[in-house]
Amino acid sequence: DAKTTQPNSMESNEEEPVHLPCNHSTISGTDYIHWYRQLPSQGPEYVIHGLTSNVNNRMASLAIAEDRKSSTLILHRATLRDAAVYYCILGGSNYKLTFGKGTLLTVNP
Amino acid sequence: DTGVSQDPRHKITKRGQNVTFRCDPISEHNRLYWYRQTLGQGPEFLTYFQNEAQLEKSRLLSDRFSAERPKGSFSTLEIQRTEQGDSAMYLCASSVRETYQETQYFGPGTRLLVL
Repeated sequence: DAKTTQPNSMESNEEEPVHLPCNHSTISGTDYIHWYRQLPSQGPEYVIHGLTSNVNNRMASLAIAEDRKSSTLILHRATLRDAAVYYCILGGSNYKLTFGKGTLLTVNP
Repeated sequence: DTGVSQDPRHKITKRGQNVTFRCDPISEHNRLYWYRQTLGQGPEFLTYFQNEAQLEKSRLLSDRFSAERPKGSFSTLEIQRTEQGDSAMYLCASSVRETYQETQYFGPGTRLLVL
């Protein structure tokens, strides 16, 4: 499985934008980029996914570099409820998700 | 709420005992996954089913572990002769098989503590 690299932790203030980076230099042409997050004491939750183009949904935006070797998850206005571990995962026809340690996001009031 | 449910949410057992966990996936989902998560780590894949067929098992799944999905609906994960190293969160997820990618929906997990 292609690997991803994320910072161990990041901090943000409430109602400010948050940019969570992910490096995936060995990504293959068919790998989708998935983001999941895990709130304390809960199972992971799907956030967003993309292949080549930037994507937006009600939770977040995903910006994908032109060479696809990195991506950024953007939370436009962080809230306290966004405090979680965020996982960047590559996948495609490979059905199982390979989680790393993710980025622990702390949101300050 | 028609999400993935797991039962029990918490289980404390003594070393050597057997435990069984249940997962009820989202009703129209034909794929079901089990993951294990220890403190400070991301979830690790254990096994998955497509309908009632178990298609892959991780090397993490020792002979003491067995999973079933009769009739392609709910699934059970049994651990025999539990060891302290089995203490973890056991997560279930379900999805619909798609051609190029799929989104997995996770349950709340079963937290196991082996004393």
